[in-house]
Amino acid sequence: DAGVIQSPRHEVTEMGQEVTLRCKPISGHNSLFWYRQTMMRGLELLIYFNNNVPIDDSGMPEDRFSAKMPNASFSTLKIQPSEPRDSAVYFCASSPRGGPDTQYFGPGTRLTVL
Amino acid sequence: SQQGEEDPQALSIQEGENATMNCSYKTSINNLQWYRQNSGRGLVHLILIRSNEREKHSGRLRVTLDTSKKSSSLLITASRAADTASYFCATDRNTDKLIFGTGTRLQVFP
Repeated sequence: DAGVIQSPRHEVTEMGQEVTLRCKPISGHNSLFWYRQTMMRGLELLIYFNNNVPIDDSGMPEDRFSAKMPNASFSTLKIQPSEPRDSAVYFCASSPRGGPDTQYFGPGTRLTVL
Repeated sequence: SQQGEEDPQALSIQEGENATMNCSYKTSINNLQWYRQNSGRGLVHLILIRSNEREKHSGRLRVTLDTSKKSSSLLITASRAADTASYFCATDRNTDKLIFGTGTRLQVFP
């Protein structure tokens, strides 16, 4: 099992640019979660999907952030336009059937916005 | 605000010693989980304890849950240098969402 796959692993971009982060969940998992981790705020849930449908996006910081899950094996998190305060590590996680259940995390994407 | 807060924020011990980390939360929960995060990596699930359980073991890990005090502890016995990582508690309340605590950074010296 390849686990949760995220790309890119590192992204450096300039303020104002569009950033797209990608995630491939574990095959057969029904739930997908996007988190952001910073030193100041810790690990924050941004949005999660069940069976490809967004269930709770209350953690999305603002309209500059959007997430999609067009099928069971792919999700994107987009930031447009990016700002320096978006610099963080973004994790994708998947779960077999949602909570309460173990979540399996990807390796993360370290985003730096200059 | 975050549901869980771990203490201590950082802990340094020698190999062979036991490490105890505590997690406090604010509202009633369904389950509590502990995760480990090695530097630069994603989180890895360690153990889940349900609200009707008081203690659970997995290898060198022992987790307790006191719902009356809204607290949990993670004990790692006979620690090893490879246990060096950050440890997070996470709670859920009848939803799919996990709310993570602030984490304890554990350093185990050989």
